[in-house]
Amino acid sequence: GDSVTQMEGPVTLSEEAFLTINCTYTATGYPSLFWYVQYPGEGLQLLLKATKADDKGSNKGFEATYRKETTSFHLEKGSVQVSDSAVYFCALEGGATNKLIFGTGTLLAVQP
Amino acid sequence: GAGVSQSPSNKVTEKGKDVELRCDPISGHTALYWYRQSLGQGLEFLIYFQGNSAPDKSGLPSDRFSAERTGGSVSTLTIQRTQQEDSAVYLCASGETGSRETQYFGPGTRLLVL
Repeated sequence: GDSVTQMEGPVTLSEEAFLTINCTYTATGYPSLFWYVQYPGEGLQLLLKATKADDKGSNKGFEATYRKETTSFHLEKGSVQVSDSAVYFCALEGGATNKLIFGTGTLLAVQP
Repeated sequence: GAGVSQSPSNKVTEKGKDVELRCDPISGHTALYWYRQSLGQGLEFLIYFQGNSAPDKSGLPSDRFSAERTGGSVSTLTIQRTQQEDSAVYLCASGETGSRETQYFGPGTRLLVL
């Protein structure tokens, strides 16, 4: 069945460091891909999405490119801030079903 | 009412009791989803409603779990004879059409079964 694998955390970075959180997927068909973020004490929020191959989603300085050839959707940010500290979830939504399938989440801690 | 709302925000119950969790989706959203977030299982899909279509119940973990959506709006997730393994955060999300559209999540209900 469809699945999402993302890198284990926690990831600890200093402010202004470069961030990459890896995400790969297995799916039949052509899913849409998402990154959701959960800040401490808050609910899940959509960070960015891409609906077809080679699309790049971007928001708040974060980017991810839908790579069909490597079945990946890695999250990147050039310069992280303390306020980016959160749990990041990669997810896919398949064509036949409308449910989101999530990765396990990656905790990011940014230190000043 | 800009976002998805859920109630109660926290619920503590005793093993064997029934609980009801409520979700108010964003007005006009036809798609409604329930997910569960637990330490051992991560984020799992439970059930999906789309308009007047039959719900997709494929994620419900047992027959103790059921959900309904009245009038195409508010939804209630019911857990009968709760077990300790039901302790989790129950998340509701809504979307405009349910297909490849963004799902907007509520703050969740944190359920603790003692």
